[in-house]
Amino acid sequence: QVQLVESGGGVVQPGGSLRLSCAASGFTFTTYGIHWVRQAPGKGLEWVAFIQYDGSNKYYADSVKGRFTISRDNSKNTLYLQMNSLRAEDTAVYYCAKGLGSSWYWFDYWGQGTLVTVSS
Amino acid sequence: SSELTQDPAVSVALGQTVRITCQGDSLRIYYASWYQQKPGQAPVLVIYGKNNRPSGIPDRFSGSSSGNTASLTITGAQAEDEADYYCNSRDSSGSHVIFGGGTKLTVL
Repeated sequence: QVQLVESGGGVVQPGGSLRLSCAASGFTFTTYGIHWVRQAPGKGLEWVAFIQYDGSNKYYADSVKGRFTISRDNSKNTLYLQMNSLRAEDTAVYYCAKGLGSSWYWFDYWGQGTLVTVSS
Repeated sequence: SSELTQDPAVSVALGQTVRITCQGDSLRIYYASWYQQKPGQAPVLVIYGKNNRPSGIPDRFSGSSSGNTASLTITGAQAEDEADYYCNSRDSSGSHVIFGGGTKLTVL
């Protein structure tokens, strides 16, 4: 069974940094693109970033481009999100989500999320 | 365009049929997918592409698309279908993923 388990969330001051991780299991990690999607408290879903199966292509939402970096370690079946220059508006639950094969922009499995709170 | 538009809230009587819509220019090029999210839980994929249901999703959920509008139909809504529903697709540039604002479904 597919499992995605996020970790690394917490409270950080504005301007600070945080690195999220997503441990994947139950599927061939090396053949699927993976996303980060976030949801601010009481708000809708917002796509954050995508990385192709081999790390060769990465896409970012305009709201995080230049501040966040998505990466993956296929030897560890793990996805990462390095978040720098954090702002209050980055406060959200961050989900990792598996892309649906060639239709990489759909998500067939989601983790349970990790909460990031940016506050002084 | 990089937006998908959904009605904020829809209600349906128990056992009746409800359609939730999603509008956007990119839907003329790309199919949408649909996610159900209940309070405190992660989203769950319910429909993807033209009209495909993942394993375990009841067949009362169906999808359709016409022009710039994608639709999710629940035929015979159940109390457990009360949730937020989100559509998603690619934007017209192809390199960004977009979500609709979500529709809160109330089953009366």
